[in-house]
Amino acid sequence: KAGVTQTPRYLIKTRGQQVTLSCSPISGHRSVSWYQQTPGQGLQFLFEYFSETQRNKGNFPGRFSGRQFSNSRSEMNVSTLELGDSALYLCASSLTSGGMETQYFGPGTRLLVL
Amino acid sequence: AQKVTQAQTEISVVEKEDVTLDCVYETRDTTYYLFWYKQPPSGELVFLIRRNSFDEQNEISGRYSWNFQKSTSSFNFTITASQVVDSAVYFCALSDTGRRALTFGSGTRLQVQP
Repeated sequence: KAGVTQTPRYLIKTRGQQVTLSCSPISGHRSVSWYQQTPGQGLQFLFEYFSETQRNKGNFPGRFSGRQFSNSRSEMNVSTLELGDSALYLCASSLTSGGMETQYFGPGTRLLVL
Repeated sequence: AQKVTQAQTEISVVEKEDVTLDCVYETRDTTYYLFWYKQPPSGELVFLIRRNSFDEQNEISGRYSWNFQKSTSSFNFTITASQVVDSAVYFCALSDTGRRALTFGSGTRLQVQP
C-alpha cells in the first residue's frame, strides 16, 4: 500500500505571497492532519479533516487554512507568508478521526520564505 | 492541558551500546494514547509504537523495547545493541480521544557512532 504523499517536497516563496500544499493520504484513510515543524517551536498541530470537514484546529492564525476533498486528499493554504512560516509541513493520515488512531506521516514539504 | 517532556536533547553512543530515551507526559484524561516516532534526516516521521492508557504491559520488538509506567507518567524507549542506522531524532507523543491531535515532545537526537 502506498504511503502518504505530499507535494511539492520543497518550496521557496517570498514574504506576502501565498502557498498551497497538497497531501494524498494512504488509500482508505479518511482523516488527514497537518503539522508544522520548526526548530524553535517543534512539532505543532495545525488542523485535522475528516469527511471533508475540519474537526479540530490548533492555535494558528487565520492565514493558515485547509480543505479536504471527497477522495480524502487535502490541501493547506498559507496566505500572506511571513518569514516565520518557514518550516517543514507534515501531513498525516489515519483510518478514522480520533486520537486513538495511529497517524502515518508523509515526507513533508519544506517551505522557505525569503 | 497535555504536555510531553523529553529531557534528553541529544544522546551520543557507540555502536552496540544500549540506550534509553526518556519520555514523561502530563494529561488530565483517563483515556489517552502514547506514541513513539522516529525522524531520520529525510524528515518523514516513522511510526514505531502506540500504547493506550489501559495497557501497561511492556513491549519488545526486536532490538526495541518500551516501558510504560502510569505511576510515574513515563513511557521510555530502549534500543538494545544500537546500530548506526538508529541515528535519528525520536519523538514521544500523546493524544486523547477528545482532542484528536498529537502533542509531541521536543525530541531526542540519537547519534550512534561506529
